[in-house]
This record gives sequence, C-alpha cells and structure tokens, in this order.
Amino acid sequence: ETGVTQTPRHLVMGMTNKKSLKCEQHLGHNAMYWYKQSAKKPLELMFVYSLEERVENNSVPSRFSPECPNSSHLFLHLHTLQPEDSALYLCASSRRGGEYEQYFGPGTRLTVT
Amino acid sequence: EDQVTQSPEALRLQEGESSSLNCSYTVSGLRGLFWYRQDPGKGPEFLFTLYSAGEEKEKERLKATLTKKESFLHITAPKPEDSATYLCAVQADNYGQNFVFGPGTRLSVLP
Repeated sequence: ETGVTQTPRHLVMGMTNKKSLKCEQHLGHNAMYWYKQSAKKPLELMFVYSLEERVENNSVPSRFSPECPNSSHLFLHLHTLQPEDSALYLCASSRRGGEYEQYFGPGTRLTVT
Repeated sequence: EDQVTQSPEALRLQEGESSSLNCSYTVSGLRGLFWYRQDPGKGPEFLFTLYSAGEEKEKERLKATLTKKESFLHITAPKPEDSATYLCAVQADNYGQNFVFGPGTRLSVLP
C-alpha cells in the first residue's frame, strides 16, 4: 500500500448505529487530519493530530470521536449520527502540522438514513 | 474575518484555450497557500505550495503565482484530462495547525 488509504470507501448507516472509519498513511508523516466535504460547501477541517496528540478540534459535535493510536493510523468513531452528517469524509497526512502540504486519501462516502 | 474565495465558480474551456483561476485571501500572517486538484469521488491531489509574494511554481501546463492578496493558477493549452475541481487552501499564523479551503473552481475542458 502507498500513500493514504481509507476504509470503508462507502458506508450506509442508520441514525442509531455505531461505526468507525479507518485511515492509514504510509508516508512516514507526523500529522493526520479528518475533513468533511459536503455538496456545495468548502472542505471543513474537523480534527488535527500531531505526533498522536489532538491539537485542533473545530467545534465538531460529540457524535464524532477521533482516535489516533499511532502516527500511521487514524480513526473516526461515529454514533447516533444525523442525516445532515451524510458527506465525503477525507483523511489527510503531512510531514508536520502547519505549513506543509497534505496528502489525502480517497475518502469514505457516508450516507446516514 | 478571514476569508478564502475562488473565482470563477465554474469555467468551461475549449482544448488549447488558456485561462487563469483566482484564489483571493484576506488573512494576516500567511504561512502557506496550497493548490490541489480534485477529481469527482476522489480525494484532493496536491499540486503546489507558495510561501511568499512573488513566488511562482510550474508543473506541466500549470503555473501558480502568489501576491499579497491572491494567487492565480494559470492553465496553458489545457487538455480534457485537466478537467477537475481546483481547490486552494491557506495556512496562517493565527490558525494553529488549521487550514482553510476555498470553495473551488470546477474546470471543464472540452475536446
């Protein structure tokens, strides 16, 4: 595997389900990010982890819970989501948080029914 | 309030017809401006980073430039495979480790 991978690629869940999104980076980077991309809206940064420590949390509802067990893996745990949470969820990594370019995974298309 | 805007929202070009996309920002303490390309259903693909006014970067048919208020992505003699959404993002001193993305320009190059 190369670059940034995400699983699953597609997910349909009910509002009462609990699911997790997984991201893995094979680039030796130290920072990882979760973004939400909704139709007609700019990319929204949700969480930033640098050296496995959460350094940014942009007013994201508590029904989204990130986890970064090591610098190569990032999870987004989902529970009791709302239909408006349906979106493309993108993971990215960079050499270090801040001024370095990010490399994105292919995303998970989430549909909440 | 800090803002990142892009224009036009959508652009249709004939193959070979050169043009420019604009990214305007109103942040203080710019640390970096980034250009990405995004194909439908895929994650953004990194193109360029610009750090200071006057800087230019080139890659194949694309050239990115930066001033103190805006960046341009010039596309010379585009081909249909250049069709995509082009995103710019900004990182600034008061952002911590946050990035702010613009809404994107959707480019279509017709054969």
